[in-house]
Amino acid sequence: NAGVMQNPRHLVRRRGQEARLRCSPMKGHSHVYWYRQLPEEGLKFMVYLQKENIIDESGMPKERFSAEFPKEGPSILRIQQVVRGDSAAYFCASSPPRSYEQYFGPGTRLTVT
Amino acid sequence: QKEVEQDPGPLSVPEGAIVSLNCTYSNSAFQYFMWYRQYSRKGPELLMYTYSSGNKEDGRFTAQVDKSSKYISLFIRDSQPSDSATYLCAMNGANFGNEKLTFGTGTRLTIIP
Repeated sequence: NAGVMQNPRHLVRRRGQEARLRCSPMKGHSHVYWYRQLPEEGLKFMVYLQKENIIDESGMPKERFSAEFPKEGPSILRIQQVVRGDSAAYFCASSPPRSYEQYFGPGTRLTVT
Repeated sequence: QKEVEQDPGPLSVPEGAIVSLNCTYSNSAFQYFMWYRQYSRKGPELLMYTYSSGNKEDGRFTAQVDKSSKYISLFIRDSQPSDSATYLCAMNGANFGNEKLTFGTGTRLTIIP
């Protein structure tokens, strides 16, 4: 059973460009979470999604950030007009229904130049 | 005040020693407590999880929760060089699972051969 998959693993963007990060949950998992890890900081929750629904986006910056988990295909975290402060590791986790266990992917390391 | 406090270390111990890692928290709604291990530039790996107060043992690892003191611990017995990693505590208050995790900042552990 393949684990949580994220791509790309590394992404370099210039200031003002858009970044798209993809996450495919583990088979049988219908719940997806996105977290951000800044250098020397712990993981910070961003958004929690189920298929076609955003359940909790309390950790998402109000502007430039959006997330979706369509009926078909991976979950996508989109950052518009990136700034240097967006440079971080972005992790996706998935879980099956009614479970508190979250399994993490390898992360996407975003560098904004 | 952060919801979850964790000593960032770094912590260095000789091989074979018992390691104690700890977190304190302020939100009394937290009920599920997890420990993740994260190797450098990798995704967090779920090690242990416990519900409410008590102990749980899995091989060389023991997780302990004291809700009255809002204090959780992870003990590693017979530590090995392969245990060298950053250890993250995480918790949530979900009644039925599927809720965002709140993380500590992580403790960087090095086991010296």
